[in-house]
Amino acid sequence: DTGVSQDPRHKITKRGQNVTFRCDPISEHNRLYWYRQTLGQGPEFLTYFQNEAQLEKSRLLSDRFSAERPKGSFSTLEIQRTEQGDSAMYLCASSSLIAGASTGDNEQFFGPGTRLTVL
Amino acid sequence: AQSVAQPEDQVNVAEGNPLTVKCTYSVSGNPYLFWYVQYPNRGLQFLLKYITGDNLVKGSYGFEAEFNKSQTSFHLKKPSALVSDSALYFCAVRGRYGNNRLAFGKGNQVVVIP
Repeated sequence: DTGVSQDPRHKITKRGQNVTFRCDPISEHNRLYWYRQTLGQGPEFLTYFQNEAQLEKSRLLSDRFSAERPKGSFSTLEIQRTEQGDSAMYLCASSSLIAGASTGDNEQFFGPGTRLTVL
Repeated sequence: AQSVAQPEDQVNVAEGNPLTVKCTYSVSGNPYLFWYVQYPNRGLQFLLKYITGDNLVKGSYGFEAEFNKSQTSFHLKKPSALVSDSALYFCAVRGRYGNNRLAFGKGNQVVVIP
């Protein structure tokens, strides 16, 4: 399977614990995105990388959240001191640049998501 | 800031009838527009996109969408719905310049009745 993969698919944790999620993008894609989706809502942007550089972060990404993409391939999203409000589906997506364009990328391909439940 | 409105929570349609899912958007400048579908316990699957050119774009599984700049709309259509089209549909927009984030609507649940 050459799509976007995420691990784990499900995570149940107690409030106050730290959790880390992993995303492996499509191999030739240089852009990687993290989104959060809660029940009944569309995905909300969290952060985005171009290669290893984190270029944009949403105001939703509080100080307890940190994301890395150390070698420009896989990415991790860590949540410290989890709160019940962090319970959501965390989605990863990757994309490539539109050929010949200085800005703008092609469609984003999404992974299956990691469902986080904070008790 | 960019945003998407999907005014209907649920769309019910009989199998074989035309399906339309509505989307209007707000963005500075010209948009990139996308439709995704989500099945239970699965990630979002790309259906189609408008980048430039012909206002009518065709995508996967017989779906198409029409970009209407004056109405800032990008409605998703399928001439003949199948029961297997029952799913959650999301419209998304991003601007051509500046940030690369996608703004999604809240989604529309489509129910195709046999």
